[in-house]
Amino acid sequence: GDSVTQMEGPVTLSEEAFLTINCTYTATGYPSLFWYVQYPGEGLQLLLKATKADDKGSNKGFEATYRKETTSFHLEKGSVQVSDSAVYFCALSDRNDMRFGAGTRLTVKP
Amino acid sequence: GAGVSQSPSNKVTEKGKDVELRCDPISGHTALYWYRQSLGQGLEFLIYFQGNSAPDKSGLPSDRFSAERTGGSVSTLTIQRTQQEDSAVYLCASSRGYSYNEQFFGPGTRLTVL
Repeated sequence: GDSVTQMEGPVTLSEEAFLTINCTYTATGYPSLFWYVQYPGEGLQLLLKATKADDKGSNKGFEATYRKETTSFHLEKGSVQVSDSAVYFCALSDRNDMRFGAGTRLTVKP
Repeated sequence: GAGVSQSPSNKVTEKGKDVELRCDPISGHTALYWYRQSLGQGLEFLIYFQGNSAPDKSGLPSDRFSAERTGGSVSTLTIQRTQQEDSAVYLCASSRGYSYNEQFFGPGTRLTVL
């Protein structure tokens, strides 16, 4: 079945460092891809999404490009801030269900 | 407008008891999802409701788990004869119904089975 594999954490970076969180997927169809974020003490919320190959989702300085050839949707940010500390989940949606990765905890230190 | 709400926020129960968890989706959202988030684990899909269609129950881990959605709105997840491994945060989400649409998550119910 469909699945998502994302980079294991935790990830600890200094402020202004470059961030990459890897995400790859397997799917039989043509899924939509998402990154969700869970800030400390808060619920999950959508960070960005891409619905077809070569689409780039972006929000709050984060970007991810839907790469069909490598079945990937890596999350990147050029300069992280302390406020980006959270757990990040890669997800795919195909037909009726949504599959999430295990989550990657990011801690950004000042 | 109001977001997705869940109740109770916390539930502590004894092994073997039944529990009911409630989810109120955003008004007008036809799709409703239940997930389980165990400590240190990702989100595990449990069940999906879309409008009046038969629910997708493929993620339910055992026949002790069931869910219903009344009138296309409020949903209840029931766990019978709870076990300690059922301890987790149970999340509900709703969306406009298409697979590429954003899901809006509730705050979750933290279930602890003693």
